Amino acid sequence: KAGVTQTPRYLIKTRGQQVTLSCSPISGHRSVSWYQQTPGQGLQFLFEYFSETQRNKGNFPGRFSGRQFSNSRSEMNVSTLELGDSALYLCASSRGPRGGGYEQYFGPGTRLTVT
Amino acid sequence: LAKTTQPISMDSYEGQEVNITCSHNNIATNDYITWYQQFPSQGPRFIIQGYKTKVTNEVASLFIPADRKSSTLSLPRVSLSDTAVYYCLVGDDPYAGNNRKLIWGLGTSLAVNP
Repeated sequence: KAGVTQTPRYLIKTRGQQVTLSCSPISGHRSVSWYQQTPGQGLQFLFEYFSETQRNKGNFPGRFSGRQFSNSRSEMNVSTLELGDSALYLCASSRGPRGGGYEQYFGPGTRLTVT
Repeated sequence: LAKTTQPISMDSYEGQEVNITCSHNNIATNDYITWYQQFPSQGPRFIIQGYKTKVTNEVASLFIPADRKSSTLSLPRVSLSDTAVYYCLVGDDPYAGNNRKLIWGLGTSLAVNP
């Protein structure tokens, strides 16, 4: 079956703009988590959605938001982009909530560059 | 916080067994231990998951002592293609509400040499 897909794969934005990233989980998976990965900080958890509800949120400013639709597809939005937002944004899906014995499957990521 | 500690880097040679140990002193009762592998410019890939004792699959083994405060990922007979970053993750309890955060460390960068 198809894996996790993320669109777009690459994105270049300028400071102050906003961006929306999309994630389509594996069919049948109801949990979607988002991560930011940078060379210095590694993988940092942004938030998790399960059955359209945000279950958990990392320590990121309110400029970072997300949502999940009834078909489990998810989007994340970053408003008022800053240079430090340049990173690889990864989406992961799983059958159930994170940590409860459910393994996560990651997408290839969206490489965001803010100039 | 379910924090983990791993070596920053390790070196090995083709055909050797590699053991990567992860420390997770404040693991909670319902937490699972999961290991992921990541190649450059790709998302992490699930390797193995366990709760206690030993788990083995076709690519790796996971050893977890009785106190569960650490775990060891064992990769038998590594090859050059096993060169990657390996992450140890301790899962938050999904039934404990929204007050536990999942933290990924910087992982262990494994270099397999010919």
